[in-house]
Amino acid sequence: SQQGEEDPQALSIQEGENATMNCSYKTSINNLQWYRQNSGRGLVHLILIRSNEREKHSGRLRVTLDTSKKSSSLLITASRAADTASYFCATEDYGQNFVFGPGTRLSVLP
Amino acid sequence: GAVVSQHPSWVICKSGTSVKIECRSLDFQATTMFWYRQFPKQSLMLMATSNEGSKATYEQGVEKDKFLINHASLTLSTLTVTSAHPEDSSFYICSAMADSNQPQHFGDGTRLSIL
Repeated sequence: SQQGEEDPQALSIQEGENATMNCSYKTSINNLQWYRQNSGRGLVHLILIRSNEREKHSGRLRVTLDTSKKSSSLLITASRAADTASYFCATEDYGQNFVFGPGTRLSVLP
Repeated sequence: GAVVSQHPSWVICKSGTSVKIECRSLDFQATTMFWYRQFPKQSLMLMATSNEGSKATYEQGVEKDKFLINHASLTLSTLTVTSAHPEDSSFYICSAMADSNQPQHFGDGTRLSIL
């Protein structure tokens, strides 16, 4: 299966709840990145976590990386309607090869 | 923050027309630029990787003569869809990266509609 797979494919939550998205990959990576895409727009970079890092925070975002399990998670706390978007993980290997996952479509209901 | 400008944002044209899409990094030098294609509700599909001053590296299945890429400077890359046909209709997105182990910065995409 494809590197950088994500689950769930779609997630619907109420405003104020936390949203967790997971990403799994298969090969060795240099870093893993999370992006957000609003409908019909380009991607916006959220967080880059390097292979020697385990956790990073940015505002309401928390990313973890477990290289032993080849997985990462993105947690959005206290979600808002404006967080509604598609979220993609992408892995970069040591050869500067990037692979994007299929994405998780997050809907935050007011 | 790093800004990437992609132009045009939407193109509608007749079959057989060639369409050029520009991707510019406005406030940083991009050693590498990427071109992606995205179908509705799907992830990004990498078409090619382009380094300034050298030929682009195309992914398997992407026709070099169909999708011409020029990366003439550290701030500009262009994608030309030659003799476009309806099956080329898609959302094309570029990104630019200053260096390895750095995030990609994306343009807003170009919606290409071929009649």
